[in-house]
Amino acid sequence: QITLKESGPTLVKPTQTLTLTCTFSGFSLSTSGVGVGWIRQPPGKALEWLALIYWDDDKRYSPSLKSRLTITKDTSKNQVVLTMTNMDPVDTATYYCAHRHVYYDSSGYSTDDAFDIWGQGTMVTVSS
Amino acid sequence: QSVLTQPPSASGTPGQRVTISCSGSSSNIGSNTVNWYQQLPGTAPKLLIYSNNQRPSGVPDRFSGSKSGTSASLAISGLQSEDEADYYCAAWDDSLNGLYVFGTGTKVTVL
Repeated sequence: QITLKESGPTLVKPTQTLTLTCTFSGFSLSTSGVGVGWIRQPPGKALEWLALIYWDDDKRYSPSLKSRLTITKDTSKNQVVLTMTNMDPVDTATYYCAHRHVYYDSSGYSTDDAFDIWGQGTMVTVSS
Repeated sequence: QSVLTQPPSASGTPGQRVTISCSGSSSNIGSNTVNWYQQLPGTAPKLLIYSNNQRPSGVPDRFSGSKSGTSASLAISGLQSEDEADYYCAAWDDSLNGLYVFGTGTKVTVL
């Protein structure tokens, strides 16, 4: 059974750096095809994808936030860490981490992927 | 921010069929498959449909997805009260070294 849980501060001040940790179980981030992503949701607004780290340490970032984001993994601890610099009140949101599942065709080739299991989310407020 | 456009709301009475559209472009829906997520009030999103029209284990067959060109749709047949939730489409976008984009979201209300 795959589970993920986000942890980190609930309140940060403007200009500070946010560090969030996703601790997971039920899978290994060293298994081919596996990934962990971060997605956020401001209160009453839509989901926004932030970043994704793959089993081979390849990383993808939202272009609009790339300069502020860093995603890393610690395979031995089953953790993925997201840092976001220069926090602003508009970054107030619930932050989710999610397991990236890859789907294979009958020939064993990867075809599609999706975030199939999500953490419960952690609310982060940016305020002085 | 969202590059996938959905209607803000949809509604129906129990038993009815509701359809939600998701409009994108050649760089996202036109080039990649579509996923749909359901978010019940106060909870984390849940994967509802992957690869345009595939249901993960445990998702009722009342939910179905389709894609044509640069648009996709989610249909809920036999609407039930527990289907009242927000629904988001999503897809990879091949522009700008790849990014995963979510739709604007649709609130489904069961009347």
